[in-house]
Amino acid sequence: GEDVEQSLFLSVREGDSSVINCTYTDSSSTYLYWYKQEPGAGLQLLTYIFSNMDMKQDQRLTVLLNKKDKHLSLRIADTQTGDSAIYFCAESPPGGYNKLIFGAGTRLAVHP
Amino acid sequence: SQTIHQWPATLVQPVGSPLSLECTVEGTSNPNLYWYRQAAGRGLQLLFYSVGIGQISSEVPQNLSASRPQDRQFILSSKKLLLSDSGFYLCAWSFIVNRKGTEAFFGQGTRLTVV
Repeated sequence: GEDVEQSLFLSVREGDSSVINCTYTDSSSTYLYWYKQEPGAGLQLLTYIFSNMDMKQDQRLTVLLNKKDKHLSLRIADTQTGDSAIYFCAESPPGGYNKLIFGAGTRLAVHP
Repeated sequence: SQTIHQWPATLVQPVGSPLSLECTVEGTSNPNLYWYRQAAGRGLQLLFYSVGIGQISSEVPQNLSASRPQDRQFILSSKKLLLSDSGFYLCAWSFIVNRKGTEAFFGQGTRLTVV
């Protein structure tokens, strides 16, 4: 089946690292994504990782993929108040058409 | 560069009234188009996708329909709204690459409240 799970809430102190976790069930998904949604806005792609990669780093963002456990994580270094948002994990199962299966989203709250 | 426009931004409609949400994409041709819905406190659910003019695939049975009258225009409709249709509706598009696609680009969303 296709189901993506995330914890719903994470609170961190400004300057600390944030780690948002995600599990998925379709091991044949070719792409895995992290999207950010700010209040009242659409989704913005943060980063994605291809299924044959273990890690991808992009400035303050690090994505780790454990295909064996079907676990994806997003680490945000030096978290800032502007990082407060909802973060969605999504997978793109094979079969084409780039249909995305989303998790429920993790609300990240950054406090001073 | 490509842009996606979605309107209206907010909408309050009575139960039983019709619905029409419109989405247009500029700067690309023959995109894949999608309608997602985000219910309160939940993730996004894919409602419809389209790979070409007049080609609509429905992912879940519901009170809604979609149409693609032009290459870069995607419309979400309902003849009679239900309370359960309330939510945040997002239009998205993506390129087609070897049928696997790439990232999806989202519009700003429409917040629909059915009263």
